[in-house]
Parts: sequence; structure tokens; C-alpha cells
Amino acid sequence: EADIYQTPRYLVIGTGKKITLECSQTMGHDKMYWYQQDPGMELHLIHYSYGVNSTEKGDLSSESTVSRIRTEHFPLTLESARPSHTSQYLCASSELGISDPNEQFFGPGTRLTVL
Amino acid sequence: AQKVTQAQTEISVVEKEDVTLDCVYETRDTTYYLFWYKQPPSGELVFLIRRNSFDEQNEISGRYSWNFQKSTSSFNFTITASQVVDSAVYFCALSLFEAGSYQLTFGKGTKLSVIP
Repeated sequence: EADIYQTPRYLVIGTGKKITLECSQTMGHDKMYWYQQDPGMELHLIHYSYGVNSTEKGDLSSESTVSRIRTEHFPLTLESARPSHTSQYLCASSELGISDPNEQFFGPGTRLTVL
Repeated sequence: AQKVTQAQTEISVVEKEDVTLDCVYETRDTTYYLFWYKQPPSGELVFLIRRNSFDEQNEISGRYSWNFQKSTSSFNFTITASQVVDSAVYFCALSLFEAGSYQLTFGKGTKLSVIP
């Protein structure tokens, strides 16, 4: 069973609010990821990190930002939420995988609704 | 550009039937990896299998089996004697080495419903 946690699981918030989605893992993984998934659609990578103080943008442009101050923690922040941000956000982690890709372990997701 | 196509959006089967989920991928790279993940209603993705481009052996794990054919760029997934607990969305994904690390590109997923 994967030890990766996301809070909150569900969030309904008004337009313009600042929100932070939390993600923590206890597996000591260096690499962490944030994916955005609209209902019935594929996952799109929006951010990833190789380790502490490393953050990179993914394939899908996102107005969110991330930080990686501690290995186990990779929060995602939206400074001003808009209805277009309504989606499911999935956090994942893996070993670094320089020579080959390792399996990613996923959290349960945060379902965000912006009114 | 790489791409993963899961042509079946939704499939319904009756319990104990066999079902095959199709996955076709596109890439110009010779080294790549293919994955299958399961997303149950609870939301988290669960890793099922990883296969590299140099290993075309089919794999069987219990009721699950995977058929990798490079000639047709396909990596199909078969569930034998399906059960209600198999109901989920199944994602096929392609991993290529880009910008210093491996990244996953997911297909749109196939929603499998197993009816008791």
C-alpha cells in the first residue's frame, strides 16, 4: 500500500480565493509529481520535482505553483482560484529513476470545485 | 511527439467474462517503457505493470495478462474471468526520456464495468 497522502480530499471554494493542496509521502522518494485530471479524461503532468529545492513545469501549462522545501512534502498553491481550475489534482511520487522509470505511487487526489 | 490511444472509452462485461483493453502507442524512440495503471472509484491510481521496449515477452499475473507487440505498437491488457472488483478506469501510459528524466504520457483511459 502506497504511503502518499493528500488533503483535503474535496474542496469547494469561491473565485479569487488562495488555496494550497497538500501532498506528503513517507517513502523517502526523491521525485514527486502533480497531475491534473478532468472527469473521464487522461492525466496531465503540471509540475514535478527531483528533490528538495527542485521544481519543474510539466506538459500542461498551469497557473499553480509548487514548492519543495522538504523531501516528503510537495504542496501546490493557486493564488487566485477560478472556475477553470475546477478539476481533480493527483499527487504522485517515485524513486529518481535516472536509468529507467520507476513506478509512480499516487495519492487519492483532491477534487477541487471553484464556484 | 508521443501519443497513447485507448480507443475503448467504456466497456461493460458480465462477471466471469474475459475482457481485453486495447492500447496503441506512437513514438520514434527505440527505448521506451509502457505502463498500465488502474483507477478504482476511490481515485488513486494503482500500478499494474511496467514493460520496456526490448522485452516483448507476454506476461501473466493471476487473472491479468499483457500482450506487447512492437510490430503493431500495441500493449493490450486482458482480464480473465472478470470480477466486480475489476470495475475501474484503466490507463495505459508511455514513458520516454526527456529533459533529463522519464516522463509519463497517459492515454484517456478505458472505463470497465463488470456487472454481477
